[in-house]
Amino acid sequence: NAGVTQTPKFQVLKTGQSMTLQCAQDMNHEYMSWYRQDPGMGLRLIHYSVGAGITDQGEVPNGYNVSRSTTEDFPLRLLSAAPSQTSVYFCASSYDGSTDTQYFGPGTRLTVL
Amino acid sequence: GDSVTQMEGPVTLSEEAFLTINCTYTATGYPSLFWYVQYPGEGLQLLLKATKADDKGSNKGFEATYRKETTSFHLEKGSVQVSDSAVYFCALSGMDSSYKLIFGSGTRLLVRP
Repeated sequence: NAGVTQTPKFQVLKTGQSMTLQCAQDMNHEYMSWYRQDPGMGLRLIHYSVGAGITDQGEVPNGYNVSRSTTEDFPLRLLSAAPSQTSVYFCASSYDGSTDTQYFGPGTRLTVL
Repeated sequence: GDSVTQMEGPVTLSEEAFLTINCTYTATGYPSLFWYVQYPGEGLQLLLKATKADDKGSNKGFEATYRKETTSFHLEKGSVQVSDSAVYFCALSGMDSSYKLIFGSGTRLLVRP
């Protein structure tokens, strides 16, 4: 049982490049989400999904796309990276999200030059 | 909207000192409240939680009591150790969006030997 895994661990992009941050969980959790962590601002919700085929926007969705084709995977796409997207990104999952423990992945540190 | 406010850090203590990290929240109804901990270079881990008023969450010597009357969920530990050095995040999940976590900005704790 690997829990929540994220790849890559580190990434450097140039402005305008695209990339996908990968997130997978093997706990059969329905709910998955993406957060970004910036200094002094805590974690902010980007997008979330309550099940395969269902996604919705969080607090800071602009510049990011998501899809959920399987229960296990929830990739986050940056179509045209900007320096403002330099951050640490965390994926999380939980069984149903309601007062349940959310399990966080180890994070991806992204730098956009 | 719902929000969480934490005391600013860093908090620097000597080993065996008493710890309090303040957390207050704004939310409608009765949210669930959480404390997460992030050790250097790692993702977030759930430390403790409380789901209704007057509940006390506890784990690893840390405690926090859900105070509805003061909308607070302060984290306490009677005797901190060097290994407690980390960033602590207070968070809530609201009744209208129970699967979304809203985080405070985090408080860095440094414990000196």
